[in-house]
Amino acid sequence: KAGVTQTPRYLIKTRGQQVTLSCSPISGHRSVSWYQQTPGQGLQFLFEYFSETQRNKGNFPGRFSGRQFSNSRSEMNVSTLELGDSALYLCASSLAMGEDGYTFGSGTRLTVV
Amino acid sequence: GENVEQHPSTLSVQEGDSAVIKCTYSDSASNYFPWYKQELGKGPQLIIDIRSNVGEKKDQRIAVTLNKTAKHFSLHITETQPEDSAVYFCAPEGGNYQLIWGAGTKLIIKP
Repeated sequence: KAGVTQTPRYLIKTRGQQVTLSCSPISGHRSVSWYQQTPGQGLQFLFEYFSETQRNKGNFPGRFSGRQFSNSRSEMNVSTLELGDSALYLCASSLAMGEDGYTFGSGTRLTVV
Repeated sequence: GENVEQHPSTLSVQEGDSAVIKCTYSDSASNYFPWYKQELGKGPQLIIDIRSNVGEKKDQRIAVTLNKTAKHFSLHITETQPEDSAVYFCAPEGGNYQLIWGAGTKLIIKP
């Protein structure tokens, strides 16, 4: 079966712009989580969605937002991009919250210049 | 909140030898303890996990041991192979099902 699909794989944006990243979970998975990964900070939790509702949120500013659609696909948006937002953004899906084992996508590499 | 520490940050072992990575956590309410492996250019992949009602779990060359009293769990890889080279993360479950990630251990397998 298809894995978690993230698009695009690579993205270059200018400071001040906004960006939208997309994540398609494994078929049947209803929970989608987003993470930011940087060499200095490791994996940082952004938010988790289940049944179109945000269930958990990490410590990121309001410039970072997300949503989940009825088919469980999810998007995250970053507005007013800063140089420090350059990172690998990872999406993970699971059957439901608390269900063992998250499956990750390969991520979107965002570079802000 | 939960504090997670992972040691060592880098581990270099000879091919065929064993590797052990340790993860300590602070939340005594944690009940789920997974280990993830991340290869270059890919997202983390779950390789083994354990729940708090079990002390040890093994899957071929990989095992996880849990000491709830001391609040630590460890990843054991035996007969290491070149394809084991990767970054390994522990991620004990904190409150509200959220995983709390360690900083990662870079495992290098020397031929």
